[in-house]
Amino acid sequence: EVQLVQSGAEVKKPGESLKISCKGSGYSFTSYWIAWVRQMPGKGLEWMGLIYPGDSNTRYSPSFQGQVTISADKSNSAAYLQWSSLKASDTAMYYCAKAGRSGSGSPALDWGQGTLVTVSS
Amino acid sequence: QSALTQPASVSGSPGQSITISCTGTSSDVGGYDYVSWYQQHPGKAPKLMIYDVSNRPSGVSNRFSGSKSGNTASLTISGLQAEDEADYYCSSYTRTSFYVFGTGTKVTVL
Repeated sequence: EVQLVQSGAEVKKPGESLKISCKGSGYSFTSYWIAWVRQMPGKGLEWMGLIYPGDSNTRYSPSFQGQVTISADKSNSAAYLQWSSLKASDTAMYYCAKAGRSGSGSPALDWGQGTLVTVSS
Repeated sequence: QSALTQPASVSGSPGQSITISCTGTSSDVGGYDYVSWYQQHPGKAPKLMIYDVSNRPSGVSNRFSGSKSGNTASLTISGLQAEDEADYYCSSYTRTSFYVFGTGTKVTVL
């Protein structure tokens, strides 16, 4: 069974750094891209970026390029989303999702449970 | 990349059929047969309902169907049930080798 298990909720202050994780199991971790998706309170879904763990090839949405860093650790079967300096506007639920197949255009078939990040002074 | 355009809300009575539209451009919806639809219940992670315009993943009810014409994709839910009440998002692969979501549609079962 494919599972994506995300790290727990975080409460941070503006300016602090943060790294959240998404651990995959039940499939070949290096063979399918992992994406990160943001959902701000009461708002819609936004693709942030994706990574192919096999070679760490990473793509970002223009809206998030330079704002976050996506990485992966093959030895740990985990993908990460990190911020160097959080803002209040980063308060949101963050989901990781796994491609349903290899190659371009793949849908996100499997999803993590989400990590709620709250940034408040 | 602008979000794909969906109606904010659609409603129907149990047993009826409803259709949600998703309008993009030739750089996304119109250019690729890589349109997906996701269902999201409150407080839950999204769930893939349709992929590649009209294909259903294993386990998804055949009451859900998808289609595309030009730059507009559509999701139809037939035999509407109370459990179908949720938010629905379309998504498309794009010319920039990335993805874009729709604005989201709240489905209400009257």
